[in-house]
Amino acid sequence: GESVGLHLPTLSVQEGDNSIINCAYSNSASDYFIWYKQESGKGPQFIIDIRSNMDKRQGQRVTVLLNKTVKHLSLQIAATQPGDSAVYFCAEIGGSNDYKLSFGAGTTVTVRA
Amino acid sequence: GAGVSQSPSNKVTEKGKDVELRCDPISGHTALYWYRQSLGQGLEFLIYFQGNSAPDKSGLPSDRFSAERTGGSVSTLTIQRTQQEDSAVYLCASSLHYGYTFGSGTRLTVV
Repeated sequence: GESVGLHLPTLSVQEGDNSIINCAYSNSASDYFIWYKQESGKGPQFIIDIRSNMDKRQGQRVTVLLNKTVKHLSLQIAATQPGDSAVYFCAEIGGSNDYKLSFGAGTTVTVRA
Repeated sequence: GAGVSQSPSNKVTEKGKDVELRCDPISGHTALYWYRQSLGQGLEFLIYFQGNSAPDKSGLPSDRFSAERTGGSVSTLTIQRTQQEDSAVYLCASSLHYGYTFGSGTRLTVV
């Protein structure tokens, strides 16, 4: 079935290094993608989004890359900080689910001091 | 309000009891969503409200689950005859277009 998923459940990163979190999706009709950050005891917080007519979008310390050919999405975090420790989810919308976000299981990022 | 507000933040209930979870969306947001997040898992869609349209209930796991949205604003998710497998964090989100904003959730524990 259609789903969104992440390649790795956990990622350990040295403070100051760059982080790359990957996500694969299977719905080729998806036209909008969002990365969320979820800290313990909180709801998901919007980080950055990208539409299917783009392949790259940059924010503050974050970059999202979209490769529609292989249906792959990635989130790059520059100069990772302790406050970046959280669970990161990719979500997609579009196609038959044109208003429902579909989430993967998440990647837990731990930043080592 | 400034954000999506959910109450209670934590709820412990006995198996078989009914519970009501409340969501107060951002003022002006026409769409409201309920998701469920089990421990260590992603978010599972439950139900979607958009304006005055009939809600999409396709994600509700059983007929013990129901939700309503009064006056296009506050929503209540009701779980009847709670079971231990209902233990999870229940998240509400609202949006105007694509800018979904989530609340902090209600952590439900069924004992």
